[in-house]
Amino acid sequence: EVVMTQSPATLSVSPGERATLSCRASQSVSRYLAWYQQKPGQAPRLLIYGASTRATGIPARFSGSVSGTEFILTISSLQSEDFAVYYCQQYNHWPDTFGQGTKLEIK
Amino acid sequence: QVQLRESGPGLVKHSQTLSLTCSVSGDSISSDKYLWGWIRQPAGKGLEWVGRVDSSGKTDYNPSLGSRLSISIDTSKNQFSLELNSVTAADTAVYYCVRRGYWYQPNDFWGQGTLVTVSS
Repeated sequence: EVVMTQSPATLSVSPGERATLSCRASQSVSRYLAWYQQKPGQAPRLLIYGASTRATGIPARFSGSVSGTEFILTISSLQSEDFAVYYCQQYNHWPDTFGQGTKLEIK
Repeated sequence: QVQLRESGPGLVKHSQTLSLTCSVSGDSISSDKYLWGWIRQPAGKGLEWVGRVDSSGKTDYNPSLGSRLSISIDTSKNQFSLELNSVTAADTAVYYCVRRGYWYQPNDFWGQGTLVTVSS
């Protein structure tokens, strides 16, 4: 099973600032990497797939990139509604696996 | 708009069978473009794929669940179902049904989730 490791576990950022979240895979997953946002009491919502493609309706302030073996989710100019838990997921190898999540909180 | 809705008992006794159904609207589960599956999330914890099924009934199960799991599809009702037997407290979680593109695609639509608690 592919192990996905996210860092940091918690990130404190002020509204209007930039947030950078990291995700690494224990083996190659090509670009089959997605990012999800989850708010309390809600199902996760797909933000990014294919490592860098925004899902339908996702604002342009969300962007995904790859640097070597590290996948990065960047949220520029944080809005109040962006404070949530973010999960990465690989879907290259069954079972698809998720990272443990990064909680983005208001500083 | 695609919608998925989970239904089933919220409380299951230890060692019994957990059964859930996902009803899909806004899309036909007979389409060969998608897989239909279950993901679970224990309280305060991360997400775990349980298993998935395609329109032909072909299934993939998470090896961690061993032989306890069965997922089936009913195209006439536009539904798919999950059965997990010999449950323990470790199976207590919110269970989500999801749609996933067939070939190397993410989960694009999710149900709202249903909490299943295993009681001793």
